[in-house]
Amino acid sequence: QKEVEQDPGPLSVPEGAIVSLNCTYSNSAFQYFMWYRQYSRKGPELLMYTYSSGNKEDGRFTAQVDKSSKYISLFIRDSQPSDSATYLCAMVRDNTDKLIFGTGTRLQVFP
Amino acid sequence: EPEVTQTPSHQVTQMGQEVILRCVPISNHLYFYWYRQILGQKVEFLVSFYNNEISEKSEIFDDQFSVERPDGSNFTLKIRSTKLEDSAMYFCASKLVLGGYTFGSGTRLTVV
Repeated sequence: QKEVEQDPGPLSVPEGAIVSLNCTYSNSAFQYFMWYRQYSRKGPELLMYTYSSGNKEDGRFTAQVDKSSKYISLFIRDSQPSDSATYLCAMVRDNTDKLIFGTGTRLQVFP
Repeated sequence: EPEVTQTPSHQVTQMGQEVILRCVPISNHLYFYWYRQILGQKVEFLVSFYNNEISEKSEIFDDQFSVERPDGSNFTLKIRSTKLEDSAMYFCASKLVLGGYTFGSGTRLTVV
């Protein structure tokens, strides 16, 4: 079983839709969770950082963590064509400094 | 907004040659990292660096790799004798203490 699982997509939605992106993980030692956006041949751009179960909102983005289910989500409201990118979940265990990434979900938002 | 700067953006090198990838992390950050991403694959951890020494490294980071912070601003990754399979995007990242990791735009390394 992979440490971090993420559906690669592609996920194709119309402009204005609510997008739900998800990751599951197998190791309960993961304590810090991040979502990154990556455009083609560019570096990952940090969108959200969370460390506790529950929701965290920032503009059109909401990150959700459920540690009991080992499941994290990113919701994008009012999606725009400029949101078309690959979204990476990443997480860190408590006693290490190493980010473990999911494979990324490719999102396409069409006008 | 502060950013992590990487140079060059693209480097082509012959197999067996040495390459140095350069990074300028965010100025007040304390933790520095190198990651790589082979085309079509996920981002993989290589090494973390804190207080002028390696704090953690992956199995990928073998004797062919080294890192250095030669002055107060630069952070470099050296590959001594490049192999074809070293072709990838290499990302530098930095972090203050807690919080998310800020990544640079990457250096695309092509080994021919």
